[in-house]
Amino acid sequence: EVQLVESGGGLVKPGGSLRLSCAASGFTFSTYSVNWVRQAPGKGLEWVSSISSISAYMYYADSVKGRFTISRDNAKNSLYLQMNSLRAEDTAVYYCARGRKPGMTIFGVDMAVWGEGTTVTVSS
Amino acid sequence: NFMLTQPHSVSDSPGKTVTISCTRSSGSIASNYVHWYQQRPGSSPTTVIYEDNRRPSGVPDRFSGSIDSSSNSASLTISGLETEDEADYYCQSYYSDNQVFGGGTKLTVL
Repeated sequence: EVQLVESGGGLVKPGGSLRLSCAASGFTFSTYSVNWVRQAPGKGLEWVSSISSISAYMYYADSVKGRFTISRDNAKNSLYLQMNSLRAEDTAVYYCARGRKPGMTIFGVDMAVWGEGTTVTVSS
Repeated sequence: NFMLTQPHSVSDSPGKTVTISCTRSSGSIASNYVHWYQQRPGSSPTTVIYEDNRRPSGVPDRFSGSIDSSSNSASLTISGLETEDEADYYCQSYYSDNQVFGGGTKLTVL
């Protein structure tokens, strides 16, 4: 079964750091681009970051650029999001999502597989 | 840089047909693929339409997607509404190095 499982969420104070993980199974992880998408409480979906299959390309939303770092370890079938200088507005459920098609393409490919999300709360 | 604008909510009765629009603020809607996601309460999003009008396996053919260059909009049409269709729907496209989501539309099946 194709599956993505996020972990690492929790409660953190403003200015703090957190590292999210996403464990992939059931498919050849190293051949797919992957994304982080977040959803603040009661709000819509917001793209956070994307990384190509072999980490050649990484992209960030302006709202997190310079604070968040996306990475992956294909040997461990895992995706990561290092979040620094966290703000209250970063409070959200964070989803990892895989592109539909294997290959280097990130944009233009829909997010066909989603995890269940991990909750990040930034509050003092 | 562009935005995707969706109506906040739509509603109709079982068996009816509803259309959700997604209007691109600048640039041509036809320039980049549009995808549509369904998110039921408490669940993760799932794709109902990808690449403007393609339907993933397992999605009923009651769901269809289209592009209208005259209004610079994409549309998701759901025919034969069922109560299980009640959900939030999001369009998504991209430009340059950014993914863009619409604000979402809450579909209520009365």
